[in-house]
Amino acid sequence: DAKTTQPPSMDCAEGRAANLPCNHSTISGNEYVYWYRQIHSQGPQYIIHGLKNNETNEMASLIITEDRKSSTLILPHATLRDTAVYYCIANFGNEKLTFGTGTRLTIIP
Amino acid sequence: KAGVTQTPRYLIKTRGQQVTLSCSPISGHRSVSWYQQTPGQGLQFLFEYFSETQRNKGNFPGRFSGRQFSNSRSEMNVSTLELGDSALYLCASSEKGGYTFGSGTRLTVV
Repeated sequence: DAKTTQPPSMDCAEGRAANLPCNHSTISGNEYVYWYRQIHSQGPQYIIHGLKNNETNEMASLIITEDRKSSTLILPHATLRDTAVYYCIANFGNEKLTFGTGTRLTIIP
Repeated sequence: KAGVTQTPRYLIKTRGQQVTLSCSPISGHRSVSWYQQTPGQGLQFLFEYFSETQRNKGNFPGRFSGRQFSNSRSEMNVSTLELGDSALYLCASSEKGGYTFGSGTRLTVV
C-alpha cells in the first residue's frame, strides 16, 4: 500500500466546511483512496473511498486530483460530532488497512 | 442489520496469563481482520481470516494467534501476556472490500 501524508491536526469552526488534505504521491493506478475516522476510543468508521473520480455520499465528498497524487476530504457543514482523528489510506481493496497517524480534527463551537 | 460485535468490552489480566477475545462479524461477511491500537504504535494490523483460513498476517510475535469458525465468528488469543500488550483490540469484518469495525476490546495487563 502506498504511504500517505496528512497534517497532524486541524481546527474548523462549527457549521463551516472542513477540508482535510492527504498526499499519496506514490499511489498505484489501481489503489483506492479510503477515508476513515475514529472518534475517541471507538472503532474506525468508514467515510468514503474513490479511485479516480470525485465521490460524494451523505457524510462527505472526496476530491482526487487528476494526477491522483493527493486528495481532499470535505465535510460540508462540520458539527461538534465530527471531532475525530481522520485517516487517509491508499489500498488495493484487499483486507489489510495500513493506518498512519491521521489528522486530529477539532470542531470549534 | 447488526454491526460487528466484540466481547468483552473491557478486560484486566495479569502478566503471564493468556486471553481470548471474540468477534462476531456482520451477517454474511466472510472476512474478519484484527487490529491492535496503542498510543505509541497507533493502529496495527494483526491478521485476517477468510472462510476459516488465515489469509494475511501482520508483524506480531507468535504469542498472538487467531482462528475463525464456520459461522465466520473469530477469536484471537494472546498467550503469556506482557504489559506492552495493553491495548484496544479491534475487529473488522468485510465483504468485497467494505470494512466495518467493532467497538473493540480494551485489554489492560497489570
